Amino acid sequence: AQTVTQSQPEMSVQEAETVTLSCTYDTSESDYYLFWYKQPPSRQMILVIRQEAYKQQNATENRFSVNFQKAAKSFSLKISDSQLGDAAMYFCAYRSEDMDYGGATNKLIFGTGTLLAVQP
Amino acid sequence: EAGVAQSPRYKIIEKRQSVAFWCNPISGHATLYWYQQILGQGPKLLIQFQNNGVVDDSQLPKDRFSAERLKGVDSTLKIQPAKLEDSAVYLCASSLLRTDNYNEQFFGPGTRLTVL
Repeated sequence: AQTVTQSQPEMSVQEAETVTLSCTYDTSESDYYLFWYKQPPSRQMILVIRQEAYKQQNATENRFSVNFQKAAKSFSLKISDSQLGDAAMYFCAYRSEDMDYGGATNKLIFGTGTLLAVQP
Repeated sequence: EAGVAQSPRYKIIEKRQSVAFWCNPISGHATLYWYQQILGQGPKLLIQFQNNGVVDDSQLPKDRFSAERLKGVDSTLKIQPAKLEDSAVYLCASSLLRTDNYNEQFFGPGTRLTVL
């Protein structure tokens, strides 16, 4: 079974600085997706960035980028120029590329989350 | 485009009572998911529907939890009877069913259940 581990329960960063959130995962599959989700106090999960395992290039979305190390099963999130609005719980998630149900089996497996505080 | 709607936002019940949650997915989304998020943990999938059929309910405690998706649109999740350990946020998500297999899940705001 796949597992996702986030070893940093809490992190803090100064506004405008850079912070990196860590995530490791365990799987025997070769094809899968990895995601970072943001969950503010409103509880709504928001997709921040995704990475396809077959792509060697690290994904980037504006101030957010990942460092994907497939052999090490590591998937960290870097937030540059941190803003007050970035304060939230961040979850790393795994999804297999299982086509058994015609592509419909896309259960997300989440880590336990990292609570990010942004100091003004 | 309207997002995933859930109601109620909050519910407080006593143990052994029953409760139901409602979810309306994004229009046209064939796949609907219910996740349970216990405080301090990441969400865990309870059940996944494709249209009105169940794809995965392996982690649904079937002795007390039930879910249905009428006509492949709205869904309800019921707990009967509730236990203290059912206190959690219940998240509903939906996604298209695309042939390229990238089916982004869009989440609703969740229902926070407290069992006393």
